[in-house]
Amino acid sequence: ELKVEQNPLFLSMQEGKNYTIYCNYSTTSDRLYWYRQDPGKSLESLFVLLSNGAVKQEGRLMASLDTKARLSTLHITAAVHDLSATYFCAVGNTDKLIFGTGTRLQVFP
Amino acid sequence: KAGVTQTPRYLIKTRGQQVTLSCSPISGHRSVSWYQQTPGQGLQFLFEYFSETQRNKGNFPGRFSGRQFSNSRSEMNVSTLELGDSALYLCASSLFSGLASYNEQFFGPGTRLTVL
Repeated sequence: ELKVEQNPLFLSMQEGKNYTIYCNYSTTSDRLYWYRQDPGKSLESLFVLLSNGAVKQEGRLMASLDTKARLSTLHITAAVHDLSATYFCAVGNTDKLIFGTGTRLQVFP
Repeated sequence: KAGVTQTPRYLIKTRGQQVTLSCSPISGHRSVSWYQQTPGQGLQFLFEYFSETQRNKGNFPGRFSGRQFSNSRSEMNVSTLELGDSALYLCASSLFSGLASYNEQFFGPGTRLTVL
């Protein structure tokens, strides 16, 4: 059974700092997704990573995928308050999405 | 282009009752997937419908069921509600079934169900 683990679960960081969220998964998959969820809101797609070594960047967020290590990272550069949200990774498995536990990010001045 | 809509947005029921939630996908999308989100279990896949057929199912009891209509709108039903069914229920639509690179899922705002 595919399991997806994220860490950390909670992340409180100062504006301007850098940090990385990790997403590990237990079985082979070549499809990994990152989503953002604001409180009380739905999921917003951030990145779709489809191959080993894939790297995608949007603004202050950069996601990468290492299928051999079964690891994806979401790197935050020079955090700003607007990035405060919960971030989920999800792994594709037999046409289903298996979500990680989520990382609640809070950025403070 | 209108996004995925879900109705109702909020619902309060009591144990033992049943509930029906509705999801209207983006125009032209034929696949609808349902997810349950709870603080304890996180986001879990319920089922997917494509062209009125259930294509995929998660590990939920038979009390959870769904259907899809010819216009791609989907409903999910939960019978004999339990306290643990309190959750945010999200639906997502996509053009096709499956997780192909060209087949992004778009999520609706969710229905928050509270079971008392």
